[in-house]
Amino acid sequence: SQTIHQWPATLVQPVGSPLSLECTVEGTSNPNLYWYRQAAGRGLQLLFYSVGIGQISSEVPQNLSASRPQDRQFILSSKKLLLSDSGFYLCAWSPNMNTEAFFGQGTRLTVV
Amino acid sequence: AQSVTQPDIHITVSEGASLELRCNYSYGATPYLFWYVQSPGQGLQLLLKYFSGDTLVQGIKGFEAEFKRSQSSFNLRKPSVHWSDAAEYFCAVGPFRGGTYKYIFGTGTRLKVLA
Repeated sequence: SQTIHQWPATLVQPVGSPLSLECTVEGTSNPNLYWYRQAAGRGLQLLFYSVGIGQISSEVPQNLSASRPQDRQFILSSKKLLLSDSGFYLCAWSPNMNTEAFFGQGTRLTVV
Repeated sequence: AQSVTQPDIHITVSEGASLELRCNYSYGATPYLFWYVQSPGQGLQLLLKYFSGDTLVQGIKGFEAEFKRSQSSFNLRKPSVHWSDAAEYFCAVGPFRGGTYKYIFGTGTRLKVLA
């Protein structure tokens, strides 16, 4: 069966420091991959999605970037964190167009 | 542009009472629709989904939802709420035909259940 792993679960980082959040999916190939950010009262904001290795679509211009170095690996990065980057980050995957998305357990990022 | 509206940010119901959470979407064609539930600090779990066919769909934990094309709505219902249903609920639409692989979520409805 397919599983999604997302780490770390919690992270406290100072302003100006770099960020790397990793997400991997097991048990499938060529998944669609997604990064969402959840802030209080704003629901889930789609940040990036990818339909294949090296193919990244950005939804919101901001201080973050994403990469997909391997088929089942999706990384969210920042060179210099801002206070406004704090939030709950969720990775998700879907096998194709005709199914739901499956979510990881999320990473709580606090920028101090 | 595609969008999802959940007009109720917070809802409080008594245990055993019925529940309806509202969801309206904006999309030019028949969408794929979903309801997810999120417990605090956790990821999202799928409750139910609508792709086509019968407009009344059954999900897990006793939830159901009805797709109404004329109203662009996909409201979630449960006849008798349990204290364990307290959580945040998200309506979503997507991925979209024509190659846009996005899932768009509403802002969520936080459900509180009174004993």
